[in-house]
Amino acid sequence: DADVTQTPRNRITKTGKRIMLECSQTKGHDRMYWYRQDPGLGLRLIYYSFDVKDINKGEISDGYSVSRQAQAKFSLSLESAIPNQTALYFCATSKTGVGQPQHFGDGTRLSIL
Amino acid sequence: QQPVQSPQAVILREGEDAVINCSSSKALYSVHWYRQKHGEAPVFLMILLKGGEQKGHEKISASFNEKKQQSSLYLTASQLSYSGTYFCGTEQSDSWGKFQFGAGTQVVVTP
Repeated sequence: DADVTQTPRNRITKTGKRIMLECSQTKGHDRMYWYRQDPGLGLRLIYYSFDVKDINKGEISDGYSVSRQAQAKFSLSLESAIPNQTALYFCATSKTGVGQPQHFGDGTRLSIL
Repeated sequence: QQPVQSPQAVILREGEDAVINCSSSKALYSVHWYRQKHGEAPVFLMILLKGGEQKGHEKISASFNEKKQQSSLYLTASQLSYSGTYFCGTEQSDSWGKFQFGAGTQVVVTP
């Protein structure tokens, strides 16, 4: 079944480490998104990509970087992790065009000690 | 700027109705509604495009007031399966494809 897959599902790491979260999709969607979810704050957009060569910052991009390696792959990196980046991270995809729903992966729970 | 959702939480008995509101200070092109169960990913419910349309999904419906930049989600004759956190996601008219989500409304339906 077509899917949005995030790896790893859980990660515990230390302050200052470099971390990469990966997202791959078999839906054939052009658009991909990275969000973080914190209790009481909902989902906040980190980066989004409309295609391989079109990557845009979201509202909270500081401290993060992304790479769109292919239409199906969109990775999120934390260059030097800090404790306040502890959160649940979601990748989402959508078709191109207005009014298209977002399809979310199962999330990566990241803890930074 | 995130859209503002209200209320933050609501507790219902099965069969009761509830309304969740989502307001933005910016001109919106679309409003999306999602439901998230505990420990799971958000799941798409419906999209409303500017034009004031109304849509439905089972006994869940929504409206979009373009003049007020406000959307409302209506839970009618609630069922236990309606429990979860509801998020609105907005797409501004000047930045298609860039979404902002509200903080969520936690809905608990009790027997």
